[in-house]
Amino acid sequence: LAKTTQPISMDSYEGQEVNITCSHNNIATNDYITWYQQFPSQGPRFIIQGYKTKVTNEVASLFIPADRKSSTLSLPRVSLSDTAVYYCLVGRYTGTASKLTFGTGTRLQVTL
Amino acid sequence: DAMVIQNPRYQVTQFGKPVTLSCSQTLNHNVMYWYQQKSSQAPKLLFHYYDKDFNNEADTPDNFQSRRPNTSFCFLDIRSPGLGDAAMYLCATSRVTGDRGEQYFGPGTRLTVT
Repeated sequence: LAKTTQPISMDSYEGQEVNITCSHNNIATNDYITWYQQFPSQGPRFIIQGYKTKVTNEVASLFIPADRKSSTLSLPRVSLSDTAVYYCLVGRYTGTASKLTFGTGTRLQVTL
Repeated sequence: DAMVIQNPRYQVTQFGKPVTLSCSQTLNHNVMYWYQQKSSQAPKLLFHYYDKDFNNEADTPDNFQSRRPNTSFCFLDIRSPGLGDAAMYLCATSRVTGDRGEQYFGPGTRLTVT
């Protein structure tokens, strides 16, 4: 299984761009990288998913270098409501077996 | 709105007393997962179903069992809860197999063992 590590916590001011990295040195060829957001007492919520290069949606961007051993979630202009824990999930679902490993999670605190 | 529902949201059980947590989905997804999440930790996959096929993670204790009577419902049974089983239990679903498969999570059931 891919072992993933993330910074334990990050602080940001409202309106700034936040970049959260995830290290996954032994990512497998077929693994995807997915980021989730989790608020207290709620289930994680999907943010973005990618395989390589750059992916962008309406809420975030995901940067994956060519070697795919790390990934960076970029949140543009964060607000107080972005205070949450962010997890990267590396793996793939293969129909009869799961190889899904959540990262350690990064607690993002956004302040005024 | 299509969603993943977990009942109850909070469950208190006694040490050694069997408990069942339930999950239902209106998304008609093939795959249903059960995760355990302890305080300040990442979710840990216990097992999952692909349709009716059950897939257990290697390190999931025998104390944890699951049933999926139909596409919509999935249950987590803890046969003899210990104090260490107190956690948030998350149910999730995904639509597609293969490499992708965004997971949709329910709100979780917080289990307390007394």
